[in-house]
Amino acid sequence: DAKTTQPTSMDCAEGRAANLPCNHSTISGNEYVYWYRQIHSQGPQYIIHGLKNNETNEMASLIITEDRKSSTLILPHATLRDTAVYYCIVRLTGTASKLTFGTGTRLQVTL
Amino acid sequence: GAVVSQHPSWVICKSGTSVKIECRSLDFQATTMFWYRQFPKQSLMLMATSNEGSKATYEQGVEKDKFLINHASLTLSTLTVTSAHPEDSSFYICSAKGSGSNQETQYFGPGTRLLVL
Repeated sequence: DAKTTQPTSMDCAEGRAANLPCNHSTISGNEYVYWYRQIHSQGPQYIIHGLKNNETNEMASLIITEDRKSSTLILPHATLRDTAVYYCIVRLTGTASKLTFGTGTRLQVTL
Repeated sequence: GAVVSQHPSWVICKSGTSVKIECRSLDFQATTMFWYRQFPKQSLMLMATSNEGSKATYEQGVEKDKFLINHASLTLSTLTVTSAHPEDSSFYICSAKGSGSNQETQYFGPGTRLLVL
């Protein structure tokens, strides 16, 4: 699976949009981009995933560049409860594939 | 969304004893389950992958005789830490991937914190 690069930490004011970048320059054509987050002392929570097109759900939006070498997770109106470590993971399709976690981005949402 | 539970959430045991952790998919059938371990201030490390009815596949460096994994049904996998020692103290997290609409996405349990005294 392709490696990803994320900033170690970011701050965001409550109510503002949080934009979390991820670089995956070695991604291949059949690899998805997945985002998970882990709130302190809990299991990771699935947020969103995509292949080529931008995706949106009730939690976030995922913007993938046209060359697929980077993506941005957008939390449109961050709240204090969004404080967590956010993991960007590139993963092959198929039942045999697995998620490999990097160090992620620690997002701190402040008042 | 899909729900995965773990039991117990906390366990404290004496060195040398064995501990069993259960992982259940509550609203979908999990054809594949994964077990991760996370030490303080570190990321999740995959320990093993199990498919229902098959032997688990362990990651390099993980002792299969120490961490016994059973995936006997489509909704239950267990991890048994045998002869636990203080260095096995960690946060153990399972995840499950199913068929149909849940096929490509892994959903995680809340984790089990193990403390070996």
